[in-house]
Amino acid sequence: KQEVTQIPAALSVPEGENLVLNCSFTDSAIYNLQWFRQDPGKGLTSLLLIQSSQREQTSGRLNASLDKSSGRSTLYIAASQPGDSATYLCALYTNAGKSTFGDGTTLTVKP
Amino acid sequence: SAVISQKPSRDICQRGTSLTIQCQVDSQVTMMFWYRQQPGQSLTLIATANQGSEATYESGFVIDKFPISRPNLTFSTLTVSNLSPEDSSIYLCSVRGTGLYEQYFGPGTRLTVT
Repeated sequence: KQEVTQIPAALSVPEGENLVLNCSFTDSAIYNLQWFRQDPGKGLTSLLLIQSSQREQTSGRLNASLDKSSGRSTLYIAASQPGDSATYLCALYTNAGKSTFGDGTTLTVKP
Repeated sequence: SAVISQKPSRDICQRGTSLTIQCQVDSQVTMMFWYRQQPGQSLTLIATANQGSEATYESGFVIDKFPISRPNLTFSTLTVSNLSPEDSSIYLCSVRGTGLYEQYFGPGTRLTVT
């Protein structure tokens, strides 16, 4: 059974800092990995999708990496802004057609 | 990409009543799902909504409590029946595209049961 862990559960940083969010998983038989952002009380917004054959994806100040051999993905946020404050979730879609979500990391960027 | 809308965005309901949530997608999709997110927790899959047939429910969720309809490839409803305070959650409609199988979510419906 796929298990997804996100550490830390919460993170507070000053504005302008670069930061890394971590996602680890137990089953490397994945089809893709997706990073989402969720604002309080809202739905999930897709940030980046990395296919199983890819190592990283970039969108603006965000960069996501995937290392299947070690069961890890990271989301790098450059030059953080208060508007980046949200909960970030990673989700794995396996070859068996199942999705597993992490519990998320709640990020607070202080002005 | 897919754009998903949900109605209502929020509701306050009394114990013992039911709430029906609508999900509309701007394109035809095969895979459509309903999730629940209880306060402070991650997402839990309730069921997969199948077009033209009964939904496929996850362990711990039953059709009598969470009846789902999916009359076509762009629309689905989730009803939460016989409400109790424990049903207070955000309910999320989601679809998965073909090709890359990217997942998209609606804005959610925040249900409070009093």
